Amino acid sequence: DTEVTQTPKHLVMGMTNKKSLKCEQHMGHRAMYWYKQKAKKPPELMFVYSYEKLSINESVPSRFSPECPNSSLLNLHLHALQPEDSALYLCASSQSARETQYFGPGTRLLVL
Amino acid sequence: GQNIDQPTEMTATEGAIVQINCTYQTSGFNGLFWYQQHAGEAPTFLSYNVLDGLEEKGRFSSFLSRSKGYSYLLLKELQMKDSASYLCAVRIQAGTALIFGKGTTLSVSS
Repeated sequence: DTEVTQTPKHLVMGMTNKKSLKCEQHMGHRAMYWYKQKAKKPPELMFVYSYEKLSINESVPSRFSPECPNSSLLNLHLHALQPEDSALYLCASSQSARETQYFGPGTRLLVL
Repeated sequence: GQNIDQPTEMTATEGAIVQINCTYQTSGFNGLFWYQQHAGEAPTFLSYNVLDGLEEKGRFSSFLSRSKGYSYLLLKELQMKDSASYLCAVRIQAGTALIFGKGTTLSVSS
């Protein structure tokens, strides 16, 4: 089983809203990732958690706040986003930071 | 900086063979991955190379030459459902995340 689930599938929010994206995996993977993907562009890394600790933050604006409550869950809290933040947000996980990453279906976010 | 190059678009016909090339110039190398991504969907893992040579998986094969900074993905017996974007990604060092190329959009026609 290589399933990573993400909710919601679609999200529309205003610039003053606060929302959260959720990601879950039950494969025992200890590394989890958030990527942002704009249309016709490759995924760009935002955050990496390894053993529930933030190990890489690729200089992402503070309006994006990740949280890893336990080894199976990864959240991305959104606040005061801009229209240019509209994108597909992908969660991925891997056995460890050295192993193959498996992606969830993504959350398509539209900021109005 | 890190640079990963792939052709932007390729076309092929059903039943044919297509080779998608990827070249990379990166500050380190700890593995090269190929992913398939259909429009509006998440990337799906296809293959992984860390040593030189060919890895075969059914209709898909991937080749790596570390000395040349070069990889290719070979798709045989093409089917319409193979129409997708193919992403080449490099891991710079163990324990870090992937850097993706811009992807190659493959269109398969009948």
